[in-house]
Amino acid sequence: LAKTTQPISMDSYEGQEVNITCSHNNIATNDYITWYQQFPSQGPRFIIQGYKTKVTNEVASLFIPADRKSSTLSLPRVSLSDTAVYYCLVGDSSYKLIFGSGTRLLVRP
Amino acid sequence: DAGITQSPRHKVTETGTPVTLRCHQTENHRYMYWYRQDPGHGLRLIHYSYGVKDTDKGEVSDGYSVSRSKTEDFLLTLESATSSQTSVYFCAISELGAGENSYNEQFFGPGTRLTVL
Repeated sequence: LAKTTQPISMDSYEGQEVNITCSHNNIATNDYITWYQQFPSQGPRFIIQGYKTKVTNEVASLFIPADRKSSTLSLPRVSLSDTAVYYCLVGDSSYKLIFGSGTRLLVRP
Repeated sequence: DAGITQSPRHKVTETGTPVTLRCHQTENHRYMYWYRQDPGHGLRLIHYSYGVKDTDKGEVSDGYSVSRSKTEDFLLTLESATSSQTSVYFCAISELGAGENSYNEQFFGPGTRLTVL
């Protein structure tokens, strides 16, 4: 499974767009890029997944360049409730995911 | 939310005692997982199951055993609890995807907070 590197923490303010970048230099051809969100005292939950280019859903957008060695999770107009830890994972199935330490996002009023 | 429950939700026990945590699902998913999460860290896989009576070790399996006698239940046992096993334990489930467009996510339970004194 490819190793991922992401910032330990980020600060933002309500209403701003937040971009969290993840580096995965050793991504394999069959690997997907998936992001999970974890609120305090809860289990992680799936946010978005992509293979290449751009994916958008009701929660976030995921940008993946052509070489797929990095990806950026974009959260539009964050609110206080988006304060959480965000994990970037790379793998070819939901089987045996490897969670790193994630990025701790703090949204301030 | 996926139908996953964990019991107990909180437990305090003493060093050397056996402890069993239960994960129950109503989704009929094939795969089940046990993770532990320590303060300031991400989740680490303890054991997983890919079917009834089929289990395998994760990255931090020492001191833990699991059993899966039914699709819906996955038990995690600490044979002799130690203080280093104080943690929050999460159960997760998933279906194995096949092919480019069938990646399936993991769904997590609410967690069990275990304290070993």
